[in-house]
Amino acid sequence: GAGVSQSPRYKVAKRGQDVALRCDPISGHVSLFWYQQALGQGPEFLTYFQNEAQLDKSGLPSDRFFAERPEGSVSTLKIQRTQQEDSAVYLCASAIFGADTQYFGPGTRLTVL
Amino acid sequence: QQQVKQSPQSLIVQKGGISIINCAYENTAFDYFPWYQQFPGKGPALLIAIRPDVSEKKEGRFTISFNKSAKQFSLHIMDSQPGDSATYFCAASKTNTGGFKTIFGAGTRLFVKA
Repeated sequence: GAGVSQSPRYKVAKRGQDVALRCDPISGHVSLFWYQQALGQGPEFLTYFQNEAQLDKSGLPSDRFFAERPEGSVSTLKIQRTQQEDSAVYLCASAIFGADTQYFGPGTRLTVL
Repeated sequence: QQQVKQSPQSLIVQKGGISIINCAYENTAFDYFPWYQQFPGKGPALLIAIRPDVSEKKEGRFTISFNKSAKQFSLHIMDSQPGDSATYFCAASKTNTGGFKTIFGAGTRLFVKA
């Protein structure tokens, strides 16, 4: 594909369930970012990967959040024991290298009931 | 130190008018300042970006003005069109130290009246 894709586009979870959100970056892009976007707010940085290495996870809000990119391409953001405050759109972005031009996916809208 | 403050929250402009959105940052280590445009249900898309070694950058109808001493930058949309109606985010990044963390403003909802 030509762009960043994310799946699922929508996810409804009951409080306490675990969820996994997938990101397929643009082929060949070294950098991958995850962001959380609350309704009416700007994206908030969660974590950054350079190839398979997670170089910055300072934005992950708690130890319930975990991200991986084992082969340096596809990435998964996992949220354990979801809480209502986790409801948001989760955006993935990739870049050739670094933070200069980030290409965003359409996001996954997570609703926790 | 990590904040990026954006104003106004919302903006209504007549077709053909100039839309102006402002941002201020605190961390002088930031060295890359992009503006993103987001339509409902879509991810943000890069519109235009500037580095602090220049004071202005223009691409078509979009211009960034950058004031390093005041730690402020702004987006000007000339000849605003109804198709420009979207949410605009300013952002700031450090790109030279390996951190690459990008901080976004809270967004400005622009509505261009036909």
